[in-house]
Amino acid sequence: RKEVEQDPGPFNVPEGATVAFNCTYSNSASQSFFWYRQDCRKEPKLLMSVYSSGNEDGRFTAQLNRASQYISLLIRDSKLSDSATYLCVVPGMDSSYKLIFGSGTRLLVRP
Amino acid sequence: SAVISQKPSRDICQRGTSLTIQCQVDSQVTMMFWYRQQPGQSLTLIATANQGSEATYESGFVIDKFPISRPNLTFSTLTVSNMSPEDSSIYLCSAYLFGEGEKLFFGSGTQLSVL
Repeated sequence: RKEVEQDPGPFNVPEGATVAFNCTYSNSASQSFFWYRQDCRKEPKLLMSVYSSGNEDGRFTAQLNRASQYISLLIRDSKLSDSATYLCVVPGMDSSYKLIFGSGTRLLVRP
Repeated sequence: SAVISQKPSRDICQRGTSLTIQCQVDSQVTMMFWYRQQPGQSLTLIATANQGSEATYESGFVIDKFPISRPNLTFSTLTVSNMSPEDSSIYLCSAYLFGEGEKLFFGSGTQLSVL
């Protein structure tokens, strides 16, 4: 099993829709997880951190299911500006500070 | 938060040559990392840049090909040596900030094309 796996998408949704991405991870000892956003030709930027069962920030909700070893990201009321690639990030097996990036899920929000 | 300045932002190089990428952080950081992002792919960790000692490389990456320097807590360089077209990629410097809201910050990346 890969350290982190994501559905590559793309997810093509209309403005205002709710969309959810899932990510599975293999290291059961991981304590912290992250969702990063990457715009085309830009560096990744942190969207949300997840340390316990979940986290909410405005239209964005991240949830953690430790038993099933997956993390989800829910985006409500999608905006055109949400179009980007969303990267699921987990700590590496040998160090919690060496972050392993998923392949990313591409989101396209259409008018 | 932290600001990471990375340069050059892009370069086109001939095969067989070397390119050194510089990364400057606006505050002292304990941990710095170098990632590579090949076209259409996600980020792959190249190495951890250790201050005052040799970098720690991930599987598939070696010091002779990707020498790294970390002379102090705010600066690091990555050299891509003896380049081939397969080295064409985006190279990203990053720094891990501890404390409240700890997270990994990235430089803006260096887009390298090898002819």
